[in-house]
Amino acid sequence: DAGVIQSPRHEVTEMGQEVTLRCKPISGHDYLFWYRQTMMRGLELLIYFNNNVPIDDSGMPEDRFSAKMPNASFSTLKIQPSEPRDSAVYFCASSPTGQSAYTFGSGTRLTVV
Amino acid sequence: SQQGEEDPQALSIQEGENATMNCSYKTSINNLQWYRQNSGRGLVHLILIRSNEREKHSGRLRVTLDTSKKSSSLLITASRAADTASYFCATDTGTASKLTFGTGTRLQVTL
Repeated sequence: DAGVIQSPRHEVTEMGQEVTLRCKPISGHDYLFWYRQTMMRGLELLIYFNNNVPIDDSGMPEDRFSAKMPNASFSTLKIQPSEPRDSAVYFCASSPTGQSAYTFGSGTRLTVV
Repeated sequence: SQQGEEDPQALSIQEGENATMNCSYKTSINNLQWYRQNSGRGLVHLILIRSNEREKHSGRLRVTLDTSKKSSSLLITASRAADTASYFCATDTGTASKLTFGTGTRLQVTL
């Protein structure tokens, strides 16, 4: 398996633009997680899915953030409109169960100018 | 809010020495995991220890867990330059199937 695949690796966008981050989890993993990493706040869980269903989105900072998982092999995290404070590295991770090791993607470094 | 707090925040040692990192957490857990993150990369799982376990080994890694003190330690023996990375503990509280990560320890191993 190629691991968790995220795209793009880097994204630079202007404030107010829509940004879409993509993730392909490992096949057979029932759980998918979106995390955000910043120097100030560390790693924060934004949302997670179990069997494509959103379970906990309490970490999503604002209504500007939305996430979907239309099928077991694809998830998106969308920010609309983007703001400079959204600049961070966004990680997707997947896990076979909710209590086992996570496999992380390489992340998307988002810069909003 | 952070569940885990690593100590020290940064650690610099020479190759061949042992490195010890500590993690304290606040609430009861199902398991505790340690991850490594190289600069600019994603996190890589190192080891998982369950709440009913006290010690676990994997290669040069040794993890201990003291649930009465709500703390864990990660020992890397005979460190190598390639061990230079940030190390994070993460806890699964069991009430929800998600990990909460600590603040991390930056380890620098010099030749």
